[in-house]
Amino acid sequence: NAGVTQTPKFQVLKTGQSMTLQCAQDMNHNSMYWYRQDPGMGLRLIYYSASEGTTDKGEVPNGYNVSRLNKREFSLRLESAAPSQTSVYFCASRSGKGALNEQFFGPGTRLTVL
Amino acid sequence: GQSLEQPSEVTAVEGAIVQINCTYQTSGFYGLSWYQQHDGGAPTFLSYNALDGLEETGRFSSFLSRSDSYGYLLLQELQMKDSASYFCAVRGGSQGNLIFGKGTKLSVKP
Repeated sequence: NAGVTQTPKFQVLKTGQSMTLQCAQDMNHNSMYWYRQDPGMGLRLIYYSASEGTTDKGEVPNGYNVSRLNKREFSLRLESAAPSQTSVYFCASRSGKGALNEQFFGPGTRLTVL
Repeated sequence: GQSLEQPSEVTAVEGAIVQINCTYQTSGFYGLSWYQQHDGGAPTFLSYNALDGLEETGRFSSFLSRSDSYGYLLLQELQMKDSASYFCAVRGGSQGNLIFGKGTKLSVKP
């Protein structure tokens, strides 16, 4: 099992450019999440998908859109990148069953917007 | 709103015991989680407390008091590899969403 995979690992964009961050999990998990992490900050939830076919806003959704393509894949799109979106982006998944509530994180995408 | 408070940095020596505290304010509460993150790495799950009391997993233990909105992570027999950031996170809803604290950077010295 690869767990949670993310592409790309690194990306540099110019202000105003668009891009899509890809995330996939092979654990048959129901729920998937996108977080951003800035220096000295914890992880902040951008969007989540509780189950296939549903998406909802988190704490900091402005400037982002998401697509839950199927049960495995959950993508994050920046339509017009801004320097404030320079961050490390983590995708995570959770089974949704049982009481443990463990989230599994991908390796992250390090994005710089110039 | 929802917020979590934890110390920004802690330093300890190898072999010692360290406790990282977390206090939280949340409109709904389903449980308190702890995650470890090494520099440049991804967060990894350590523990989850839904009910009051102590949960032990090897050298790590986690405690929760819902009446005090307080929890802590206890790391025993510290090793150099425990140097990392530790995040507490509150599960605020039935859909498993987490609100994270800003993290505690633990430095273990020889």
